[in-house]
Parts: sequence; C-alpha cells; structure tokens
Amino acid sequence: EDQVTQSPEALRLQEGESSSLNCSYTVSGLRGLFWYRQDPGKGPGFLFTLYSAGEEKEKERLKATLTKKESFLHITAPKPEDSATYLCAVQATDSWGKLQFGAGTQVVVTP
Amino acid sequence: NAGVTQTPKFRILKIGQSMTLQCTQDMNHNYMYWYRQDPGMGLKLIYYSVGAGITDKGEVPNGYNVSRSTTEDFPLRLELAAPSQTSVYFCASSPIERGGNNEQFFGPGTRLTVL
Repeated sequence: EDQVTQSPEALRLQEGESSSLNCSYTVSGLRGLFWYRQDPGKGPGFLFTLYSAGEEKEKERLKATLTKKESFLHITAPKPEDSATYLCAVQATDSWGKLQFGAGTQVVVTP
Repeated sequence: NAGVTQTPKFRILKIGQSMTLQCTQDMNHNYMYWYRQDPGMGLKLIYYSVGAGITDKGEVPNGYNVSRSTTEDFPLRLELAAPSQTSVYFCASSPIERGGNNEQFFGPGTRLTVL
C-alpha cells in the first residue's frame, strides 16, 4: 500500500531562517512526486513535480529534491508570505493518475 | 479559463438530508477526482473518473455517489448525510499526458457541516 509521511507537522520560522520539510514515501512504482501549497480556505496550488531520484526543481525561495525514499522541500530565507501548509503526494505508475497525499506541514514565518 | 469551479462554497445539512456538490472544469481534462480533507489530515480520495461515463471508487467512497455524463462536470452526491461527512471537499482535474506533467488542478472547495 502506498504511504506518504510528512514531517514536521508544524514549523515556525523567523523571516530569513532557512529550513527543510521532509516527505517520506513508499510506493510500488513511482510515476511522480508532487508538492502543493495550500493557503487557509483555499484549494491546493501546484508547486513541483519530481520524477526520478536525483532530480531537483526550484521556484523563488523553494527548492524540491528527490531520493528513492524521500523528498525535501527547502525554504531559503523565507518571508511571511511563504506561510502556508505544504502538501506532498505520490502518484504510482498503475494509479490512473490518483494521488496519495501526506498530512502536510504547516509553516508559519514571522517577521 | 475559470479552471475548476465548485458550488456551493458552504453548506449546513441536517442528518439524513441529501445534497449534490457540483464541480465543473473548462480545461478539457479527461481525469477528474473528488477528495475530502479533515483537520490535520491529508486529502483522501473519494471517487475518480477517467472520462465521461467512467467512474471508480477511491479510498473512502462509502456514503457517496458520482456520475460523469460530460467531460466538464463531475457532481458528488451525498444521499443520507451523517456527521462523519462533515469535511471540506475538493474537486480536481488532470490532463494525464503520457510522458508529460500530470499535475492535478484543484477547485476552491466546499465546506460541509452535518448537524
């Protein structure tokens, strides 16, 4: 059974204090690992897709990396507007596109 | 493009009542999904569809039904509402391109309370 575990559950950062979020996964065959950002009262918004171990993607202050067992989302010099819940999800090769989500990491960045 | 739209935004139901959550997408995506999200939990898949006329159960289908008569619309039906169905419901769609990006696009959600 596919499983996704995110840690920590919550993270409080000072503005400019870099940190990393972890997403550990088990899946029969990985088609893709997805990162989403969710603001309060909104639907998840797409950030990145990673397809194979060693792959990295960047967007502004965010950088996602992938190994065979986990993915990291690095937040460099965060700003208050980076406060959100970050969701990780895996898509298996035989899944008809279905995503298995982790519970998310709630990030709060204070000025 | 409006993307994925959901109605209503909020709804309060009494136990035993029925309702339909509406979902429409204007991106011509074949794949559509319904998820529920409970506090502190990830999104759980209720039902999904790979095209008009084709639907299948996800992880938590009990108490729900779906239909897909057109590419654009994917309504979710609650027949006999129970307090356990209090949740936020998200609809999503995806293009599923071979060798391409298969990201899912999410709607704004429907917040449902069953009392």
